[in-house]
Amino acid sequence: AQTVTQSQPEMSVQEAETVTLSCTYDTSESDYYLFWYKQPPSRQMILVIRQEAYKQQNATENRFSVNFQKAAKSFSLKISDSQLGDAAMYFCAYRRRYGNKLVFGAGTILRVKS
Amino acid sequence: NAGVTQTPKFQVLKTGQSMTLQCAQDMNHNSMYWYRQDPGMGLRLIYYSASEGTTDKGEVPNGYNVSRLNKREFSLRLESAAPSQTSVYFCASSAPTGGDYTDTQYFGPGTRLTVL
Repeated sequence: AQTVTQSQPEMSVQEAETVTLSCTYDTSESDYYLFWYKQPPSRQMILVIRQEAYKQQNATENRFSVNFQKAAKSFSLKISDSQLGDAAMYFCAYRRRYGNKLVFGAGTILRVKS
Repeated sequence: NAGVTQTPKFQVLKTGQSMTLQCAQDMNHNSMYWYRQDPGMGLRLIYYSASEGTTDKGEVPNGYNVSRLNKREFSLRLESAAPSQTSVYFCASSAPTGGDYTDTQYFGPGTRLTVL
């Protein structure tokens, strides 16, 4: 069974600085997708970024980028120029390519200091 | 276009009571899902429905039943609520894109359920 591990229960970053959230996963599959979801205090789950395992290029969405290391089964999220609105719980998630079940990590709380 | 909606937003039950959580999506998605979120454990899949007329168990199905009423609606029923079912419940939907299921799951706002 696939598992996703987020080893940082909580992180803090100063406004305008950069922070990296860690995620590792375990799978025997070679084709899969990885996701980062953001959950602000409103509880709404919001997709931040998605990475296809068969693509070597790291995904980027504005201030958000990932460092995907397939051999190491690592998928970290970098947030640049952090803003107060980035404060939230962040979840890493995995899905087999030909499947529709998401497996989530336990989450990392990100606090942004002004 | 409301996306994924869930009712109710909050609910308190006594042990042994039953209730149904409702979920609807207006994005014409084929697949729908129910998750529960507990502190320190992320979201765990309870049941999912890959398409209208089909349902499958997820990681934690015990104590729950589901009904895919039509393409839009997917309900989750607790027949005899237990304190261990106190959680936040999320419904999600997705549609396969192209031929390799590169779908993204879109989530509802969640239901906070407390079982006393």
